Amino acid sequence: GESVGLHLPTLSVQEGDNSIINCAYSNSASDYFIWYKQESGKGPQFIIDIRSNMDKRQGQRVTVLLNKTVKHLSLQIAATQPGDSAVYFCAEESPAGGTSYGKLTFGQGTILTVHP
Amino acid sequence: SAVISQKPSRDICQRGTSLTIQCQVDSQVTMMFWYRQQPGQSLTLIATANQGSEATYESGFVIDKFPISRPNLTFSTLTVSNMSPEDSSIYLCSVLAGGNTIYFGEGSWLTVV
Repeated sequence: GESVGLHLPTLSVQEGDNSIINCAYSNSASDYFIWYKQESGKGPQFIIDIRSNMDKRQGQRVTVLLNKTVKHLSLQIAATQPGDSAVYFCAEESPAGGTSYGKLTFGQGTILTVHP
Repeated sequence: SAVISQKPSRDICQRGTSLTIQCQVDSQVTMMFWYRQQPGQSLTLIATANQGSEATYESGFVIDKFPISRPNLTFSTLTVSNMSPEDSSIYLCSVLAGGNTIYFGEGSWLTVV
């Protein structure tokens, strides 16, 4: 059951390069977005989140950009390392509060492969 | 953050049988959810596990196939009933934890033969 990746977009980079993973989300009412990293054989790991009142948020080596006008989300990874190799998913919560609180809709995912 | 433990982590099941997956959180959480991730695909929400009441199912998922229990604020179970090979998936528990961040367990990897 670990065959994530057979149908997913892929991005290959060299170690030390910067990586940009893109995501188009579906609901203009979504106001909370999360990026997850899923390594082979593991569950999704929280990387970084952003709320709709922001257009950029930075973490350690990662930056998330949000463009609400075109419903686009991106994850930038600086100085990509082999350990960053995984499937990356964006997810949206739409909208926060009420019956949708905590419920996520996931994008299709992108396979990132980092070559040493 | 929240530490989420799922059991079993993996199993191979015979078609027609049922399997119950457990999700244990190390702290009380208000919201718990169950997702499915079919091979090569993204995650899809099955249902919200409501404490003390019936789960709320998403379109395409029904209680008879995926009964859910949530007896308290730290524990939930998902049963996959009358399994067929199409049910071979990763089943994931998630929680809405402190800081309104959503965390996932490591998943239960089911193969139905």
